[in-house]
Amino acid sequence: EVQLVESGGGLVQPGGSLRLSCAASGFTFSSYWMHWVRHAPGKGLVCVSRISSDGSSTTYADSVKGRFTISRDNAKNTLYLQMNSLRDEDTAVYYCARGVSINWFDPWGQGTLVTVSS
Amino acid sequence: EIVLTQSPATLSLSPGERATLSCRASQSVSSYLAWYQQKPGQAPRLLIYDASNRATGFPARFSGSGSGTDFTLTISSLEPEDFAVYYCQQRSSWPLTFGPGTKVDIK
Repeated sequence: EVQLVESGGGLVQPGGSLRLSCAASGFTFSSYWMHWVRHAPGKGLVCVSRISSDGSSTTYADSVKGRFTISRDNAKNTLYLQMNSLRDEDTAVYYCARGVSINWFDPWGQGTLVTVSS
Repeated sequence: EIVLTQSPATLSLSPGERATLSCRASQSVSSYLAWYQQKPGQAPRLLIYDASNRATGFPARFSGSGSGTDFTLTISSLEPEDFAVYYCQQRSSWPLTFGPGTKVDIK
């Protein structure tokens, strides 16, 4: 069974940092692009970042560029999102998702909640 | 950035009725459009990709159509498990964007 499990969310003060992880199983992780998508309360789904299967190519939403870094460890079947200089507006449920045909999301993890608040 | 607009925001229907959901793009996305279903407390699930291809696990009552800027998701006869929020998403260009969603609820 294809499975994605996020971890690392929590409460952090503005300006702080968090690192999210996404453990993948049930498929050949190193063959797929991977994505982070967030869903803020009362707002829409936003694609935060994506990374190519070998990690050589990354893309970011303008709202997180320069603050967030996506990476992966194909030996550990794990995707990461390092989030620095966090702002109130980064508060959201963060999902990792496998990229099918690169940019369709299937499946998604269960999500991890990040709350930025003082 | 390609903006996706979905209508209606809410669709109130009874089981057995036909649901027609619309997604409109601010510029052409060719056939690079997907639909996702999200139920409360769950992550979204890929439902339709490339405008009209049904994803694994979804029955034939779900169908997608359209190209360019106008797309439709049709549920031919609503089952109780179909009441959910449906999002469209484009992959024509970065940033990949989603529509705001259509909530299908029980009348």
